[in-house]
Amino acid sequence: GQQVMQIPQYQHVQEGEDFTTYCNSSTTLSNIQWYKQRPGGHPVFLIQLVKSGEVKKQKRLTFQFGEAKKNSSLHITATQTTDVGTYFCAGGTTDSWGKFQFGAGTQVVVTP
Amino acid sequence: DAMVIQNPRYQVTQFGKPVTLSCSQTLNHNVMYWYQQKSSQAPKLLFHYYDKDFNNEADTPDNFQSRRPNTSFCFLDIRSPGLGDAAMYLCATSRDLQGARGYTFGSGTRLTVV
Repeated sequence: GQQVMQIPQYQHVQEGEDFTTYCNSSTTLSNIQWYKQRPGGHPVFLIQLVKSGEVKKQKRLTFQFGEAKKNSSLHITATQTTDVGTYFCAGGTTDSWGKFQFGAGTQVVVTP
Repeated sequence: DAMVIQNPRYQVTQFGKPVTLSCSQTLNHNVMYWYQQKSSQAPKLLFHYYDKDFNNEADTPDNFQSRRPNTSFCFLDIRSPGLGDAAMYLCATSRDLQGARGYTFGSGTRLTVV
């Protein structure tokens, strides 16, 4: 079955630094979504990518969908303490319409 | 505000005693999902409803059942909770199966089994 893997599992970042988290799928995806879950909270939808090679930006967050539609990345610049949380990617395929497979997430800790 | 509401926020149940978790939504979304999330793990889809059409994941234990009496409400029934069922249970909704605008999650119910 489809598997979605995220690396790294944990990311310690100094405030002000940049970092990237990666999402890799064992199968070609039709689309991919990213969510952020604050400690003690629930996942909150950030963005969806659909097109091969697509790049979208939300302020300091840059999301990219790979050309082969099997991987994605989230890059955060100038990390702030408000970026603390776990970032999940969720991949969708046409075979599993309506069901997104979540990765295990990257837990981000920001030190001042 | 339109939202997804889960009750209760925390639930303690006895081993083997049936328990029901509830979810309601004011978004008028067609699709409702139940996810199980254990500590530091990805949310795991248990089942979903597209309108009244129920879709069970192949690896969801028979111990887990769901009901959707109307568009707004969806329930998760655990018939005989075991210690391994202790987790956060997340309800999510989506306007349609494409989910292009993402899922809207409730705040979750944290289930403890004693």
